[in-house]
Amino acid sequence: AQSVAQPEDQVNVAEGNPLTVKCTYSVSGNPYLFWYVQYPNRGLQFLLKYITGDNLVKGSYGFEAEFNKSQTSFHLKKPSALVSDSALYFCAVRVPGGFKTIFGAGTRLFVKA
Amino acid sequence: EADIYQTPRYLVIGTGKKITLECSQTMGHDKMYWYQQDPGMELHLIHYSYGVNSTEKGDLSSESTVSRIRTEHFPLTLESARPSHTSQYLCASSEGGRDRGQPQHFGDGTRLSIL
Repeated sequence: AQSVAQPEDQVNVAEGNPLTVKCTYSVSGNPYLFWYVQYPNRGLQFLLKYITGDNLVKGSYGFEAEFNKSQTSFHLKKPSALVSDSALYFCAVRVPGGFKTIFGAGTRLFVKA
Repeated sequence: EADIYQTPRYLVIGTGKKITLECSQTMGHDKMYWYQQDPGMELHLIHYSYGVNSTEKGDLSSESTVSRIRTEHFPLTLESARPSHTSQYLCASSEGGRDRGQPQHFGDGTRLSIL
């Protein structure tokens, strides 16, 4: 069965420190990979995606993600966290040509000043 | 900022009432989706549409129905609301055509409470 795992319910980091939010997936083939962010009382906002090519992709608000095919992982990273980055982050995958996007359960990021 | 709008943002209503949650997008997207999300939790796909006159049920069984008479409009209806329908409902859209990894654009949701 196709699935996305975000192993950490919550990640705590101090402002100015680097952050990583982990994501692994179990999907056949070469899926499209996405990260979304959700702020309180808002919908999800697209951050970045991996389609093909360079394993490090850059996205909005200084976020980047590293694709590792052998580990089937797509971890979200940022070199220096901001308090305003505190939010709920969702990893998602989609089989190319498929309709359904599979979302992870979400990871809550807390950035402490 | 994506142009997809949901109304109402919040709704508190009694059991047995008929409810329609509105979703409209101005991007001309062919594909539209409804998700159910308990606050701060994972998303569950309940309906989707490839385009006008196309609707399909998602993974999560839902007593709601949807229609897609116009490209820009994808309303969700509950004929008789029950407390178990209390949740947040998110609408999303994405470009049609060949899948090139187009992301979904989300509305800000409707938080529904059934008393």
